[in-house]
Amino acid sequence: AQSVTQLDSQVPVFEEAPVELRCNYSSSVSVYLFWYVQYPNQGLQLLLKYLSGSTLVKGINGFEAEFNKSQTSFHLRKPSVHISDTAEYFCAVSEYNQGGKLIFGQGTELSVKP
Amino acid sequence: EAQVTQNPRYLITVTGKKLTVTCSQNMNHEYMSWYRQDPGLGLRQIYYSMNVEVTDKGDVPEGYKVSRKEKRNFPLILESPSPNQTSLYFCASSSGLAGWMVNYNEQFFGPGTRLTVL
Repeated sequence: AQSVTQLDSQVPVFEEAPVELRCNYSSSVSVYLFWYVQYPNQGLQLLLKYLSGSTLVKGINGFEAEFNKSQTSFHLRKPSVHISDTAEYFCAVSEYNQGGKLIFGQGTELSVKP
Repeated sequence: EAQVTQNPRYLITVTGKKLTVTCSQNMNHEYMSWYRQDPGLGLRQIYYSMNVEVTDKGDVPEGYKVSRKEKRNFPLILESPSPNQTSLYFCASSSGLAGWMVNYNEQFFGPGTRLTVL
């Protein structure tokens, strides 16, 4: 069965520093991978997704993620964060041939300090 | 404005009192889904619907019911709520299955409904 693990529950970082939020998944079939962001007291919005092709995916707000099939990972990165990036980030996986099921990780709280 | 709306946004109720949380989208999306969000657990899918009259269980369907009689609405029903259903609930919609038997379209989320069951 598919599962998603976000390796860090909280990531504090200073403004303008780089950040990496880690995500690992397990699945026996092909998957599609997503990163969503949740700003305080709001719903989720899509940052980026990997479907196929290039393993480096660029998203909104300067974020990018790299799909690594051999390590079953999909880590999210940003070279220089802003205060406004403070939010909770969720990795999610949708498994080929599983219709509408979407499995989320536990979430990573990114806290950007001045 | 394209959006997913949920009502109510906040609800405090007592054990066993039936309740319904409504969800409506104005984007003509085929796919709709319900999630609950709990600290440390992320979002867990309760039910989803790939089109009118088609619903299926997610990972945590126990204690919940749904119906999809119209494309735009997907209400979540708790027939006999219990305290372990205290949670933040999100409804989402997307434009349906895009690949072979999988939905990889972006899901648009509502603002959430915070439910407390005493």
